Amino acid sequence: DQQVKQNSPSLSVQEGRISILNCDYTNSMFDYFLWYKKYPAEGPTFLISISSIKDKNEDGRFTVFLNKSAKHLSLHIVPSQPGDSAVYFCAASDGSGTYKYIFGTGTRLKVLA
Amino acid sequence: DAMVIQNPRYQVTQFGKPVTLSCSQTLNHNVMYWYQQKSSQAPKLLFHYYDKDFNNEADTPDNFQSRRPNTSFCFLDIRSPGLGDAAMYLCATSRSRVTQYFGPGTRLLVL
Repeated sequence: DQQVKQNSPSLSVQEGRISILNCDYTNSMFDYFLWYKKYPAEGPTFLISISSIKDKNEDGRFTVFLNKSAKHLSLHIVPSQPGDSAVYFCAASDGSGTYKYIFGTGTRLKVLA
Repeated sequence: DAMVIQNPRYQVTQFGKPVTLSCSQTLNHNVMYWYQQKSSQAPKLLFHYYDKDFNNEADTPDNFQSRRPNTSFCFLDIRSPGLGDAAMYLCATSRSRVTQYFGPGTRLLVL
């Protein structure tokens, strides 16, 4: 049973426009969320995080929104750049103190020049 | 630069021949993780160490073992690799829940 789902395997966006990547989760105990970016042949790189006490966190061009009632989070990239083309993973952790994260299957973003 | 290093980047082994993947870190993080990632799938946590405490995931096959001789190093041993074990193996470290730092991964091919 996939507790963290990224239902869009791929997304194409024109350069300069907004990219919106979505993530849904089923476990209401999840209280901390991460977004990672992964280029081919490299490990995932941390992008941005959000705690369940917030509904928004912003870092430059990247903003993550959390809707706890819908168990949904989204990553907005504005403006999108060709260098943003990568696979994006969301990951969720509960407050059990185990420092474990459950990852989604990823969304491949392609930013078209 | 502080980092997570995985060796080798590519590993080819034969069916049933034991193989060891290594991970080292210069971040001095107390938590180290091993993930398995197959194509188009989510990284799957195999186990993690919190300091010296080993935490195995319930669905991690017995074929997979791990050692952490000190803070900096962690090894993944696959005792008898099967064709289904071909995957990318990712090592990560963390000091807290805030984030995990990943190495570049080792791609394992089983012939």
